[in-house]
Amino acid sequence: AQRVTQPEKLLSVFKGAPVELKCNYSYSGSPELFWYVQYSRQRLQLLLRHISRESIKGFTADLNKGETSFHLKKPFAQEEDSAMYYCALNNNAGNMLTFGGGTRLMVKP
Amino acid sequence: DSGVTQTPKHLITATGQRVTLRCSPRSGDLSVYWYQQSLDQGLQFLIQYYNGEERAKGNILERFSAQQFPDLHSELNLSSLELGDSALYFCASSPLFSGQTYEQYFGPGTRLTVT
Repeated sequence: AQRVTQPEKLLSVFKGAPVELKCNYSYSGSPELFWYVQYSRQRLQLLLRHISRESIKGFTADLNKGETSFHLKKPFAQEEDSAMYYCALNNNAGNMLTFGGGTRLMVKP
Repeated sequence: DSGVTQTPKHLITATGQRVTLRCSPRSGDLSVYWYQQSLDQGLQFLIQYYNGEERAKGNILERFSAQQFPDLHSELNLSSLELGDSALYFCASSPLFSGQTYEQYFGPGTRLTVT
């Protein structure tokens, strides 16, 4: 069975500080991992996916198959980064997403 | 709005009742997905349709059913409602289903409250 774990429900940092949102997964096949973000009163939207290896809004995430992790990082957090972040795994069988429990990031001024 | 739309935004109903949630995918998207977001279960995949056919099923209760119509809009039917069915129900759409992974675009959700 596939599973996505985000151990922190809430992460609070000051503006300009580095931020790392943790995501661990368990999946027997070759996973595809995503980070989705939900800003206040807005819909869930894709932030980045591991296969594209992009940096979006200063965020990056590297898939570590050995540690089965896909942590989201940003070197200098901004107040506008405050949002709910969800790590998700695609099982490549039905295109369904398995989500982690989410981490609320609060960036304080 | 050319994005995913969902109606209604809010729904309040009593236990034992039946409701229908509606979703219109983005223009051109053939796949529709339904997710349930509750406080205790988080975001859970319910079911996927592609071009009118069911393609994948998740933790969807037997009391729940869905369908996708020829115009590609989808409806999620919830019956014999229980208090625990209170949740935010999201619909998402993506262009294709063929073993490739496409970004899923989410709707704003329908908040269901069962009293």
